[in-house]
Amino acid sequence: AQSVAQPEDQVNVAEGNPLTVKCTYSVSGNPYLFWYVQYPNRGLQFLLKYITGDNLVKGSYGFEAEFNKSQTSFHLKKPSALVSDSALYFCAVRDTGGSTLGRLYFGRGTQLTVWP
Amino acid sequence: KAGVTQTPRYLIKTRGQQVTLSCSPISGHRSVSWYQQTPGQGLQFLFEYFSETQRNKGNFPGRFSGRQFSNSRSEMNVSTLELGDSALYLCASSLGTTGTKEGNTIYFGEGSWLTVV
Repeated sequence: AQSVAQPEDQVNVAEGNPLTVKCTYSVSGNPYLFWYVQYPNRGLQFLLKYITGDNLVKGSYGFEAEFNKSQTSFHLKKPSALVSDSALYFCAVRDTGGSTLGRLYFGRGTQLTVWP
Repeated sequence: KAGVTQTPRYLIKTRGQQVTLSCSPISGHRSVSWYQQTPGQGLQFLFEYFSETQRNKGNFPGRFSGRQFSNSRSEMNVSTLELGDSALYLCASSLGTTGTKEGNTIYFGEGSWLTVV
């Protein structure tokens, strides 16, 4: 079965500093990996995905993620954090075929706080 | 292009009642899935529909049901509501295939906040 782990419940970083939100995964087969962000009282917004190709994936709002197959990781990064980046971040993996194709498996989420 | 639309956004129900939530997917998307989000359990998969057929189901009791119409719009129903059903219910849509990179992206709506009292 697919699974995702986000080892940090909370990440705190100063504005202007680089940020990293960690994610590791376990899949049977090739992974389709995603990052979503959730602002208070809102739904999930798609940030970026890895399907195939370059291990460094660029997404919305200046975020990027690095896929590392040997470490089964897909960490979310941003070179310079903004206060407005403060939100709840979810890593997810999707099945690549079969009857469970449309299902996402989510991590528990990481609350990112960027202070001024 | 309009996003995933969910109605109602907020609702309050009494224990024992039933509720129906509606979701309109992005135009052209044939897959609709539903998730329940609570502080304690996080994001839990309810079910997924593709071309009016339930393709996958999570581990929820039979009180939770859904359907998809020929225009890909979907509804989910919860009968005999319990206090523990209070949650944010998220609908997501996608093309439902893996033939293209875009087909692999799942987009979410703003959710329906259900409070059971």
